[in-house]
Amino acid sequence: ELKVEQNPLFLSMQEGKNYTIYCNYSTTSDRLYWYRQDPGKSLESLFVLLSNGAVKQEGRLMASLDTKARLSTLHITAAVHDLSATYFCAVGGNKLVFGAGTILRVKS
Amino acid sequence: NAGVTQTPKFQVLKTGQSMTLQCAQDMNHNSMYWYRQDPGMGLRLIYYSASEGTTDKGEVPNGYNVSRLNKREFSLRLESAAPSQTSVYFCASRMTGLDYGYTFGSGTRLTVV
Repeated sequence: ELKVEQNPLFLSMQEGKNYTIYCNYSTTSDRLYWYRQDPGKSLESLFVLLSNGAVKQEGRLMASLDTKARLSTLHITAAVHDLSATYFCAVGGNKLVFGAGTILRVKS
Repeated sequence: NAGVTQTPKFQVLKTGQSMTLQCAQDMNHNSMYWYRQDPGMGLRLIYYSASEGTTDKGEVPNGYNVSRLNKREFSLRLESAAPSQTSVYFCASRMTGLDYGYTFGSGTRLTVV
């Protein structure tokens, strides 16, 4: 059974600082997704990672995938308040399994 | 482009009542999904439909039924609502294939009292 673990579950950051969210999963999978969710809203797709060593960047967010370690990271560079949200990783093909989410708060 | 449309957005039910959550997508996607989201638990798959005419159970199917009415529509039915089904329900769809991601609806917030 595929299990997905994220950490930390809560992250309070100062503006301008860097930090990383980790996503570990238990069994081999062919794709990994990162989503953002604002309070009371739906999920917004950030990245789809398909192969070992994949790296994708969008603005201050960069995601990477190490399939051998079954680990993905979401790196935040020079955080700004607008990045405050909950971030989920999800793993799988036909059926996504989600991590519990990381609540990110960026303090001015 | 509406994407994935869910109705209703909010609903309050009494224990034992039934209701159907509706989901429709206009992107010609093959696969459709129902997830529930509870605080601190991420999203959990209830049922999915890989293609028109097929449905399959996910992680938490008990207490729910689904119907893939056609390629566009996938409904979720609660036959006898229980307080444990209080949650936010998301419908999603995708085109099967390696590079295609999932598109999520805006969610239905359901409270069972």
